[in-house]
Amino acid sequence: DAGITQSPRHKVTETGTPVTLRCHQTENHRYMYWYRQDPGHGLRLIHYSYGVKDTDKGEVSDGYSVSRSKTEDFLLTLESATSSQTSVYFCAISGASSYNEQFFGPGTRLTVL
Amino acid sequence: SQQGEEDPQALSIQEGENATMNCSYKTSINNLQWYRQNSGRGLVHLILIRSNEREKHSGRLRVTLDTSKKSSSLLITASRAADTASYFCATDNYGQNFVFGPGTRLSVLP
Repeated sequence: DAGITQSPRHKVTETGTPVTLRCHQTENHRYMYWYRQDPGHGLRLIHYSYGVKDTDKGEVSDGYSVSRSKTEDFLLTLESATSSQTSVYFCAISGASSYNEQFFGPGTRLTVL
Repeated sequence: SQQGEEDPQALSIQEGENATMNCSYKTSINNLQWYRQNSGRGLVHLILIRSNEREKHSGRLRVTLDTSKKSSSLLITASRAADTASYFCATDNYGQNFVFGPGTRLSVLP
């Protein structure tokens, strides 16, 4: 998986609790992305980063925040998890351009009860 | 809104047959990519085709792009059971990040 790890791989949590997902890369790639994957929707972009401390919103950013304090780490936080945020979350990275191919992590399956 | 839409949603073929999947999109693009996802795994990049290219090959994969029809097709020749996966097209529209379609689920039966 191109030097990308995600943690945790599985998580079950209660509605209203905060959750943080971590993406870690060893490729020194500039761009990092968080997607969610739901049946019938493909992948939808939540947030992305184009450098340390440089982030921007994607298509479905409401209810999510991100931080990138180091090149290798990109954190996704659900401040107060809701059942609609039950999904599989993928982190991806790309190199010199955001239009280059993306390399995906193994995913985190999050269930919000 | 989804930029790319794959067709069909699901496809079942016998091993050795060819598999064709299509992707339609709505706005002008800079390039289009195809990805594969095996069950329970992340997506893997297959091929990228730029807006000024019409056809590209990679092993058993052939991708075409028709910008006048805003469509692309992915052909997998001589399919194998290991090709069983979901296939996604991803399009960018000049300055925005890639948008993925809902995917085509391909089943290759032995």
